[in-house]
Amino acid sequence: AQKITQTQPGMFVQEKEAVTLDCTYDTSDPSYGLFWYKQPSSGEMIFLIYQGSYDQQNATEGRYSLNFQKARKSANLVISASQLGDSAMYFCAIMNYGGSQGNLIFGKGTKLSVKP
Amino acid sequence: DSGVTQTPKHLITATGQRVTLRCSPRSGDLSVYWYQQSLDQGLQFLIHYYNGEERAKGNILERFSAQQFPDLHSELNLSSLELGDSALYFCASSVDQNEAFFGQGTRLTVV
Repeated sequence: AQKITQTQPGMFVQEKEAVTLDCTYDTSDPSYGLFWYKQPSSGEMIFLIYQGSYDQQNATEGRYSLNFQKARKSANLVISASQLGDSAMYFCAIMNYGGSQGNLIFGKGTKLSVKP
Repeated sequence: DSGVTQTPKHLITATGQRVTLRCSPRSGDLSVYWYQQSLDQGLQFLIHYYNGEERAKGNILERFSAQQFPDLHSELNLSSLELGDSALYFCASSVDQNEAFFGQGTRLTVV
């Protein structure tokens, strides 16, 4: 069964600095996708970035990049130049493509606080 | 704005009651997923519909049911509500497997 582990319940970062949020995963399916979502205090789930298991290059979306290390089964999110508005919960998720389900399995999340 | 619309945003109801949560997916998206987010269980997959047909079930209670209509909107029905059903319920939609866009959620409070 697939599983996502986010070992950092909470993180602090100084405004304008970069921060890495850790995510490791476990799956027996060779074909899968990894997702990161941001959930601010208002509650909505905002899609940030996606990485496919067969993608050769690390995904990037603006200030977000995904450090994908397939052999280590890790998919860390890097946020560059942190802003106060980045303070939120961040969730890593996996979707296996081999089976019929196609749903996301989420980690427990990391609460990021950006300090001015 | 993700393009996924959920109504209502907030719902307060009593134990034993039944409620219906509604989701309109992004235009063109055939897949609709329902998730429940609670403090103790985190984000849990409930059920997946694709073009009107049920594709997969997750940790969905028998008291809960869902359907997807011909216009692709979906409804999640929760019955015989218990205090523990209080949670944030999300709908997500996608057209490909490399994306899943979430609605703003419905916050259900059972009193």
